[in-house]
Amino acid sequence: GAGVSQSPRYKVAKRGQDVALRCDPISGHVSLFWYQQALGQGPEFLTYFQNEAQLDKSGLPSDRFFAERPEGSVSTLKIQRTQQEDSAVYLCASSPRTGRNIQETQYFGPGTRLLVL
Amino acid sequence: AQRVTQPEKLLSVFKGAPVELKCNYSYSGSPELFWYVQYSRQRLQLLLRHISRESIKGFTADLNKGETSFHLKKPFAQEEDSAMYYCALSGLTDNAGNMLTFGGGTRLMVKP
Repeated sequence: GAGVSQSPRYKVAKRGQDVALRCDPISGHVSLFWYQQALGQGPEFLTYFQNEAQLDKSGLPSDRFFAERPEGSVSTLKIQRTQQEDSAVYLCASSPRTGRNIQETQYFGPGTRLLVL
Repeated sequence: AQRVTQPEKLLSVFKGAPVELKCNYSYSGSPELFWYVQYSRQRLQLLLRHISRESIKGFTADLNKGETSFHLKKPFAQEEDSAMYYCALSGLTDNAGNMLTFGGGTRLMVKP
């Protein structure tokens, strides 16, 4: 079946520009995660959704970052007034259930590579 | 706070040699540990998790709570094992959505 998809795959933005990154999780997956992966580093957690509810946004680096999942499936990560330090690969992952008391396997998308000039 | 450390950025071995990718973690509760792998031009995918106690593609990893380690091992490396390997931790809590904390990754190169 179809895995997690993300678009665009590559995005070049000028500093100060707003960007929107899209994630299509596996159909029926309840949980959705966003991670940021800077060059040469491991992914770092940004935010988590259970259906349409954003239950954890503790990893968002600033108030320029905003995520939504209004209908509990597709999610968008928006970055306002992009800065050079926002350059990274943004990964989306989904898992079938809520993971309460057990860690569900997370299935990752291919990522969106953002370059801010 | 939870933290995962992979001390080696790069590990280079010859085909047929044993491989050990090191992972150490810090977490005050009861963690679940994972190894994720990313082959060239592919997405990040789960390789194995400690709770399953299984061997995938010849790789095994044992959780050592005393040493807070979860090293990944394979007795005989193959060229197709060349990839980026990430150790990851999730805290088992009663909160929904257990996010993963990743190490910095180790690039494994298996030379012919």
